[in-house]
Amino acid sequence: DTGVSQDPRHKITKRGQNVTFRCDPISEHNRLYWYRQTLGQGPEFLTYFQNEAQLEKSRLLSDRFSAERPKGSFSTLEIQRTEQGDSAMYLCASSPATGRETQYFGPGTRLLVL
Amino acid sequence: TQLLEQSPQFLSIQEGENLTVYCNSSSVFSSLQWYRQEPGEGPVLLVTVVTGGEVKKLKRLTFQFGDARKDSSLHITAAQPGDTGLYLCAGARAGNNRKLIWGLGTSLAVNP
Repeated sequence: DTGVSQDPRHKITKRGQNVTFRCDPISEHNRLYWYRQTLGQGPEFLTYFQNEAQLEKSRLLSDRFSAERPKGSFSTLEIQRTEQGDSAMYLCASSPATGRETQYFGPGTRLLVL
Repeated sequence: TQLLEQSPQFLSIQEGENLTVYCNSSSVFSSLQWYRQEPGEGPVLLVTVVTGGEVKKLKRLTFQFGDARKDSSLHITAAQPGDTGLYLCAGARAGNNRKLIWGLGTSLAVNP
């Protein structure tokens, strides 16, 4: 399978715990994006990498959120001290460096904070 | 501020009917994508339109990009229950191709 993959698909955690999600982009894509989506809404941009460099981060992203892409391949998104308001679908997308900005999405990680 | 207005927000129709979903903006986009999303899954790309006035067809789905590249439409002919889902449009603004501007989506239900 050459699509974007995300792990885990589902995560249930207690408030205050830390969680980490992984995204593996399409292999030849050097741009990687993280989004958050709540029910009935479109995706909300969180952050963006080109290779290993984090080039943009949403102002909506609190200090409890951190993302890395250490080798320019897979990426991780960590949420520290989770809150109930963090419950959402976390989506990862990738796109090639050149050409039009078409993003290809993974299946998402659904987070539920109790 | 919602830069990409998508309408209608909800649509419930009977199998066999036609429908059109609209995406409108005052901004010019260098490209616009349409996605379809099912519950619990990520958005799946349907089409990318790039040229003003462009029309693309995908089986019963017809996508059009406005001449000024500010708006787009998705027309579905003879809708089927399998078309049920959330349809999202997303535009890349000229000069800022890294981040997509998203509509809020159209939730379509096709009843048998």
